[in-house]
Amino acid sequence: EADIYQTPRYLVIGTGKKITLECSQTMGHDKMYWYQQDPGMELHLIHYSYGVNSTEKGDLSSESTVSRIRTEHFPLTLESARPSHTSQYLCASSDWRRSTDTQYFGPGTRLTVL
Amino acid sequence: AQTVTQSQPEMSVQEAETVTLSCTYDTSESDYYLFWYKQPPSRQMILVIRQEAYKQQNATENRFSVNFQKAAKSFSLKISDSQLGDAAMYFCAYRGAYGNKLVFGAGTILRVKS
Repeated sequence: EADIYQTPRYLVIGTGKKITLECSQTMGHDKMYWYQQDPGMELHLIHYSYGVNSTEKGDLSSESTVSRIRTEHFPLTLESARPSHTSQYLCASSDWRRSTDTQYFGPGTRLTVL
Repeated sequence: AQTVTQSQPEMSVQEAETVTLSCTYDTSESDYYLFWYKQPPSRQMILVIRQEAYKQQNATENRFSVNFQKAAKSFSLKISDSQLGDAAMYFCAYRGAYGNKLVFGAGTILRVKS
């Protein structure tokens, strides 16, 4: 089991609220990722980071933003939540120093915007 | 762009029997990694098995093994002696050797009958 944590696990919130989804890992991994997954569907990369102060957008356009101030922490923020943001958000991390650079996932945050 | 196709939306297997989940992919890269992830109903994504494309030998992890056919771009997962705990959504994923993102298939729901 990988040591990667996400909070909250479930969040129901009203339209227009600002929210931050937390992701932390204790493995010292440099790379971290955020994926969005609709129920029963594949995952799509929305953000990734190579390390501290590095963030990049993924393939799927997202109105969310991320920051990477500490190696172990990679929070995702939505400034104004909308019903279209309802989805599951999965955080992952990997160690580029290992040749396979395998990604390990957190338990996810299921977000519902009313 | 790389794509991953899982042609079986759902599969069923009797407990203790063997089941094979299919995955094909499309890439122009010669060096890459392939993964099978399991996502149980609790929704934590867990790595099942991984394969380096440069290795001809098929990867095995206890009851899980793959049939990697590089020329055919096929990467199937075989689960032997199926157990109730194997019931989950299984995702096949691809990552280029020098890439950052995982490209996921649409997933296969595996049901295990007792």
